[in-house]
Amino acid sequence: GESVGLHLPTLSVQEGDNSIINCAYSNSASDYFIWYKQESGKGPQFIIDIRSNMDKRQGQRVTVLLNKTVKHLSLQIAATQPGDSAVYFCAERARRNTGNQFYFGTGTSLTVIP
Amino acid sequence: DGGITQSPKYLFRKEGQNVTLSCEQNLNHDAMYWYRQDPGQGLRLIYYSQIVNDFQKGDIAEGYSVSREKKESFPLTVTSAQKNPTAFYLCASSIETGFGYTFGSGTRLTVV
Repeated sequence: GESVGLHLPTLSVQEGDNSIINCAYSNSASDYFIWYKQESGKGPQFIIDIRSNMDKRQGQRVTVLLNKTVKHLSLQIAATQPGDSAVYFCAERARRNTGNQFYFGTGTSLTVIP
Repeated sequence: DGGITQSPKYLFRKEGQNVTLSCEQNLNHDAMYWYRQDPGQGLRLIYYSQIVNDFQKGDIAEGYSVSREKKESFPLTVTSAQKNPTAFYLCASSIETGFGYTFGSGTRLTVV
């Protein structure tokens, strides 16, 4: 079956530095990807998405890069702030018998050091 | 404001009891989902519903049941057949399956 994983389970960065969170996916047919942010005790929040026909998409302080050749997704956060401390996970959309379905990675815990 | 509401935030269950987790959305979304989240694991799909009066089993449906009598509501019952129910439960909705989700704030269920 599909698997979505992360290279590092935890990441600590100094406030003001840039953060890079990575995600590997296994299904080359996945056509849509989303990054979510989850703060402790809360539900995940949408950060940014990218379709498979793109290799880069930018938002406010965040950039997602997609490398389909090696099936790798990354989230870059510029000028990381204490409020960015959370678990970040990626989701890939793949087709199942019953239609399109999302598969979620385990997450990377980002800690911002003031 | 449109959104998705889960209640209660915390729930305690005695062994052998059934409990029901509430999920309500006013986003006019057709699809709704229930996920279970355990430490160190990704979200695992319990059940999903593409439309009213229809629902499908996910990857870990055993010990759970759902209903979808109204578009806005998708309650999850954790039955006594679920042997390890302690977890964080997340409800989500989307315009239709395959589109990005809006998540609720979750219910933490603990067996005592």
